[in-house]
Amino acid sequence: DTEVTQTPKHLVMGMTNKKSLKCEQHMGHRAMYWYKQKAKKPPELMFVYSYEKLSINESVPSRFSPECPNSSLLNLHLHALQPEDSALYLCASSQDRTSGRASSYEQYFGPGTRLTVT
Amino acid sequence: QKEVEQNSGPLSVPEGAIASLNCTYSDRGSQSFFWYRQYSGKSPELIMFIYSNGDKEDGRFTAQLNKASQYVSLLIRDSQPSDSATYLCAVIPYNTDKLIFGTGTRLQVFP
Repeated sequence: DTEVTQTPKHLVMGMTNKKSLKCEQHMGHRAMYWYKQKAKKPPELMFVYSYEKLSINESVPSRFSPECPNSSLLNLHLHALQPEDSALYLCASSQDRTSGRASSYEQYFGPGTRLTVT
Repeated sequence: QKEVEQNSGPLSVPEGAIASLNCTYSDRGSQSFFWYRQYSGKSPELIMFIYSNGDKEDGRFTAQLNKASQYVSLLIRDSQPSDSATYLCAVIPYNTDKLIFGTGTRLQVFP
């Protein structure tokens, strides 16, 4: 089973709203990722959690705030977003980032949340 | 020089033909190579991964890796219209664990 789930599927929010995106996996993976993808572009890495600790923040603006409550869950809290933040937000997971085994880095993506900021 | 390069396409092939998608990478020490398929409006789906030089086959898909020449390719045999999608090549360079994506190649399989 390589399923990563994300909710909601679609989200429309105003620039003053606060909302959260949720991601869940039950594969026992210990690394989880947030990506942003704009149309006709590859995914861009935003954050990486490894063993529930934030290990990479790709200089993402503070209006995006990640949270990893436990090894299966990953949230992305959104506040005061801009229209240019409209994109597909993807969650991914992989077994591990510390084992050194190549197979540990295989990342599986969830279906994404289509975010529109008005 | 971009870290991972792909021809953006579109690559158009007739149904039943072999589609050949290519990718080059700049970091000679890269160890892990992945192919993702992404349908329009959907998320990337991991379809192949390869870690050693040579060929790896899985059904109609064959991944080929040549580390000396720094390229990785994906062959799709007996192409079907349902294979029409964007194919993203992704590489993990040496001394990092970040997945670096190419810009993707759009494949169109026509009946």
